[in-house]
Parts: sequence; structure tokens; C-alpha cells
Amino acid sequence: DGGITQSPKYLFRKEGQNVTLSCEQNLNHDAMYWYRQDPGQGLRLIYYSQIVNDFQKGDIAEGYSVSREKKESFPLTVTSAQKNPTAFYLCASSSDRGGNTIYFGEGSWLTVV
Amino acid sequence: KNEVEQSPQNLTAQEGEFITINCSYSVGISALHWLQQHPGGGIVSLFMLSSGKKKHGRLIATINIQEKHSSLHITASHPRDSAVYICAASVSGSRLTFGEGTQLTVNP
Repeated sequence: DGGITQSPKYLFRKEGQNVTLSCEQNLNHDAMYWYRQDPGQGLRLIYYSQIVNDFQKGDIAEGYSVSREKKESFPLTVTSAQKNPTAFYLCASSSDRGGNTIYFGEGSWLTVV
Repeated sequence: KNEVEQSPQNLTAQEGEFITINCSYSVGISALHWLQQHPGGGIVSLFMLSSGKKKHGRLIATINIQEKHSSLHITASHPRDSAVYICAASVSGSRLTFGEGTQLTVNP
């Protein structure tokens, strides 16, 4: 079945370490997104990509990096520069044109210890 | 002020009650999405609408473009409907702006 797969589901990181969250989709979608969710807040856009080898910063890109080398993959690296990385991270994808259904992964819980 | 606002933030209902969650937005949109987030965190898309009304099972979503307002209704609510319901607006291309969500709890 088509869908989005995020891994890992739970991740613990020591302060000062980089960590990479995986997001893979087999929906043949052009657009992919990374969102961060904190308790009591709406989803906030970290980065998005509308085509392979291109991506744009979202509203809270500082301390994060992404790559889009393949259409189906959009990994997110949480760097040591991210001051408050403990959060729930969601990957999503949609057809590039606006107004299309968006599909989400199951999310990744990142805890910095 | 958020571009997308939902109300109420929290809602508790008894099984069988009719439920309404509201969403107001302050910008022009190409589409309005209603999403459901389960306790484990996964999100599924319930509806995407740009006008009128859509129905799926016990769920109904409506939108009034002139008033910049959308509602999600759940008829004959059930404890399994307990989740966070999120309204999101397609403002620019395929980017979404999200409301803060409504935590719904349906008691048996």
C-alpha cells in the first residue's frame, strides 16, 4: 500500500549530537514537508521541498537541515545548533499543486537527554 | 493572532451527542483541510474542501468562503472518535497553516 514511512518512532539524543530522521514515501508525490509539533501548539513548518534537489526553509528552520536527493526520500537532520529539539516531528507529502490531500507519516518522538 | 483559529480547544461529550468544531481563518485560501490526530501521534486527512459541504460516514465538513469559516460535525459520537482534530488552510501553493487543534473526548 502507498504511504509515508517515518523512522525511528522514538529517538533519544545526547546534547551536542546531530540526529537524522528518515522519511520515505511511495506515493509519487512531488512535495514533501517536515513539521514540528510541541504540546498545545499547532504544527509548524521546518522545511519543505517541491521538487527533487530543491528545498525551502519553513517558519522554524534554524538548527535543522534537509536533503532531497530522491523523490521518495526527505530526511531531516536535527543539528546540535537546535536549542530545544525535544518535540514530535511529522513528515508529510502531497501532490505539488495546491489544494491536494496531504498525507502524514506516523511521526517521530525525539527526546534530548 | 493566528491565521487559523479553532474553537473550542477542548471538548468533552457523552456518547451519542452531536459535536461541532469550528475553524476561522483570516487569509485567502485555496482549500481547507480537516485532520485527525490519534493519541499515538499519527495524523490522517479527513476532508479537503474548497466550497460547500462534504460527508463521510458520521463526519460532515462545511465551509463558508465569504465568512472564512469552516465547521466539522460528528453525528452520533462514539468514544473511538476521541482524538485531536486539526484545521489547516492551504494558503500558499501546497503549504498549510495549521490551527492549534481541538482535543475531543467522548465518554461512554
